[in-house]
Amino acid sequence: NAGVTQTPKFQVLKTGQSMTLQCAQDMNHEYMSWYRQDPGMGLRLIHYSVGAGITDQGEVPNGYNVSRSTTEDFPLRLLSAAPSQTSVYFCASSRTRTPGTGVHYNEQFFGPGTRLTVL
Amino acid sequence: AQRVTQPEKLLSVFKGAPVELKCNYSYSGSPELFWYVQYSRQRLQLLLRHISRESIKGFTADLNKGETSFHLKKPFAQEEDSAMYYCALSQWAGTYKYIFGTGTRLKVLA
Repeated sequence: NAGVTQTPKFQVLKTGQSMTLQCAQDMNHEYMSWYRQDPGMGLRLIHYSVGAGITDQGEVPNGYNVSRSTTEDFPLRLLSAAPSQTSVYFCASSRTRTPGTGVHYNEQFFGPGTRLTVL
Repeated sequence: AQRVTQPEKLLSVFKGAPVELKCNYSYSGSPELFWYVQYSRQRLQLLLRHISRESIKGFTADLNKGETSFHLKKPFAQEEDSAMYYCALSQWAGTYKYIFGTGTRLKVLA
């Protein structure tokens, strides 16, 4: 299994440009999420999805769009890049916990990250 | 609102000294809590989870529901423990969600 993969690893954009960060997982996980990691701010949740066709906003969703057409893929789109979006982006996936079943297999598996610089 | 708080951004200790990384949470239900670690230039990975009550790499963490804490402890720090540590909470409240704290950078000095 490749686990969680992300492309590209590095990207430099100019203000106003758009791009898509790719994320894929081969573990058949229902839950997928995007975080940004900034110094002193830790990991902040951008968007998440609990299954194909279902997405929701996290803590810092503005300026980002997501879609989940398949279980495997969860791309993050920057519509019009701004310098404030300079960050390291991590994608993660996990199973979801089903209430009442006692299942606790909800370790999050992370991708290697994408370092984005917006000039 | 659900929240995970890690009050220390940076913690420096000498090799062989005890380590305690603090984590407090606010959650109205029954929480599931985790510690994740990120070594330099590596991706985040699970260190331990409260439900397992295990010790990984000498680290332990006990869930204290009265104090709403899940502090990470190690009796004798090693230089290879230097990393970024994140406390996290998973919740099921109509939908499934994961919340991370802001992280604590641990530096173990020789």
